[in-house]
Amino acid sequence: ELKVEQNPLFLSMQEGKNYTIYCNYSTTSDRLYWYRQDPGKSLESLFVLLSNGAVKQEGRLMASLDTKARLSTLHITAAVHDLSATYFCAGGATNKLIFGTGTLLAVQP
Amino acid sequence: SQTIHQWPATLVQPVGSPLSLECTVEGTSNPNLYWYRQAAGRGLQLLFYSVGIGQISSEVPQNLSASRPQDRQFILSSKKLLLSDSGFYLCAWSVGGASYEQYFGPGTRLTVT
Repeated sequence: ELKVEQNPLFLSMQEGKNYTIYCNYSTTSDRLYWYRQDPGKSLESLFVLLSNGAVKQEGRLMASLDTKARLSTLHITAAVHDLSATYFCAGGATNKLIFGTGTLLAVQP
Repeated sequence: SQTIHQWPATLVQPVGSPLSLECTVEGTSNPNLYWYRQAAGRGLQLLFYSVGIGQISSEVPQNLSASRPQDRQFILSSKKLLLSDSGFYLCAWSVGGASYEQYFGPGTRLTVT
């Protein structure tokens, strides 16, 4: 069964710095997703990665997928406070998604 | 455009009481529907999913059940709540195609006392 692991679980970073969140998965996954969750809120879809080598960017966030390494990364460029949230990756096939434990990102001024 | 609704938004229930949470989707037909639970500070646990009316797949054995009486309606129920049922319940939908991307509702925060 697919297992998804994220690291780090908690990330405190200063505004203006760059960092990367890693998402490893255990078996073949058709696709990889990244979601954002603000405190007390629901999940918002950020990226869907469908193939090896896929790269998607939105603002200061860039996600990539390496299916051979079973690894996806979410790179944060020049962090700002508004990016503070919990970020989840999820993998799966067709109907079911398996979520990672999430990375709590706190951007400090 | 598609919209997903959940109600109630918050709920406080005593142990042993019944539960009914409702989720409806607008603007799409024959969606896949999902119920997740998120315990405080934790990740998401898939509870049930449905690919059509009356078709329910259970992922975790527990005292919860789900039903899909209409194409765009998904209900989560319990006959007797446990303290461990407390959490944030999220409904999601997806349709087929290349991505099967899931879209989440606003959630119901359940506290069992």
